[in-house]
Amino acid sequence: DSGVTQTPKHLITATGQRVTLRCSPRSGDLSVYWYQQSLDQGLQFLIQYYNGEERAKGNILERFSAQQFPDLHSELNLSSLELGDSALYFCASSVAKLAGVNEQFFGPGTRLTVL
Amino acid sequence: AQSVTQLGSHVSVSEGALVLLRCNYSSSVPPYLFWYVQYPNQGLQLLLKYTSAATLVKGINGFEAEFKKSETSFHLTKPSAHMSDAAEYFCAVGNTGGFKTIFGAGTRLFVKA
Repeated sequence: DSGVTQTPKHLITATGQRVTLRCSPRSGDLSVYWYQQSLDQGLQFLIQYYNGEERAKGNILERFSAQQFPDLHSELNLSSLELGDSALYFCASSVAKLAGVNEQFFGPGTRLTVL
Repeated sequence: AQSVTQLGSHVSVSEGALVLLRCNYSSSVPPYLFWYVQYPNQGLQLLLKYTSAATLVKGINGFEAEFKKSETSFHLTKPSAHMSDAAEYFCAVGNTGGFKTIFGAGTRLFVKA
């Protein structure tokens, strides 16, 4: 158990819909990262937040947005969903700001299926 | 810019045989290198990490990796494979000035009885 929790575990929805994925980082971790994992794209970094502020952006679509709240939990919002958004979405956390040097602790993921 | 290449999307070994998973990186600054493992239906977890302290890094579950600057490689090895090692393995690179960790495409390890 990494200490990172994600809800829900599974989500099935239809094209055009909007969903929210939630992540609670490990106690004491200030950084939260979101990743998308699919068979054709592999593990793609989406976005990082550090202590409530956006720190780094990766391959995140404009239809996707995220935020980190004062209690440090984070939400990833996916809107106007397309079939290609079906994937496993991971949240990870780390203690410090620098993504490149710190171990990241991954949650169990949310499997999104868009029908 | 940094990048990671994992050679071989699938590797199959017999139980008790040597495990060798290959990773080559590209970095214009001294890198931090990681190996993560993902078991079925789970998130990634850290196996080991290189931070320039020692070129041979020992990790959990009997795995180790050797940093070779001249070859820009960071291959993962285990002397004797166990059935429980069957999983997907990701090599990743970062640096002190970087905003993100770059993950490789992953190598799925199969262990035959």
